[in-house]
Amino acid sequence: SQQGEEDPQALSIQEGENATMNCSYKTSINNLQWYRQNSGRGLVHLILIRSNEREKHSGRLRVTLDTSKKSSSLLITASRAADTASYFCVRGGTALIFGKGTTLSVSS
Amino acid sequence: DAEITQSPRHKITETGRQVTLACHQTWNHNNMFWYRQDLGHGLRLIHYSYGVQDTNKGEVSDGYSVSRSNTEDLPLTLESAASSQTSVYFCASGFSTDTQYFGPGTRLTVL
Repeated sequence: SQQGEEDPQALSIQEGENATMNCSYKTSINNLQWYRQNSGRGLVHLILIRSNEREKHSGRLRVTLDTSKKSSSLLITASRAADTASYFCVRGGTALIFGKGTTLSVSS
Repeated sequence: DAEITQSPRHKITETGRQVTLACHQTWNHNNMFWYRQDLGHGLRLIHYSYGVQDTNKGEVSDGYSVSRSNTEDLPLTLESAASSQTSVYFCASGFSTDTQYFGPGTRLTVL
């Protein structure tokens, strides 16, 4: 499979804490993206990092990419209950290749 | 506002019936995609299109077909529905594969 693999599969934290999700992939990439899916709803694009970038920020999100290790991480700082969702690491290319996702639960 | 819509949102059908799921986008995106989402598998690509009259098979295309007669629509047809095709189906579109915009999904149950 060419899917990215997220780790952990599930994560439970308290509001205000940081959440870190990791992703590994097997083949070379043009870019790596993270999407969020709220329960029972469509997916929303969060952030894209290109293969020549090492770190990228967007609001409370920080994404890192290590192409030598074929891995990426998504950090959500100061989490909120509204961040409760599934997060997918997605390899960009001819078409998107999705991992199985990390389910994040943020309790107040 | 531009958007992407799917219909129906919920569908129950019987094994062997032909089913068509609609996807319509008003962004004028060239690229359109169909995915299915199942527990334990994430999203898997069924078919995709880079423009009118262009269609391509994805990872799990068996039993599905698409046609692209205009920019706005990419209907997905299940030629003979099977219970294994019970799933949630998502349509997406974009100018490139860098960012895709997803529809709300169609929950299909095949009995």
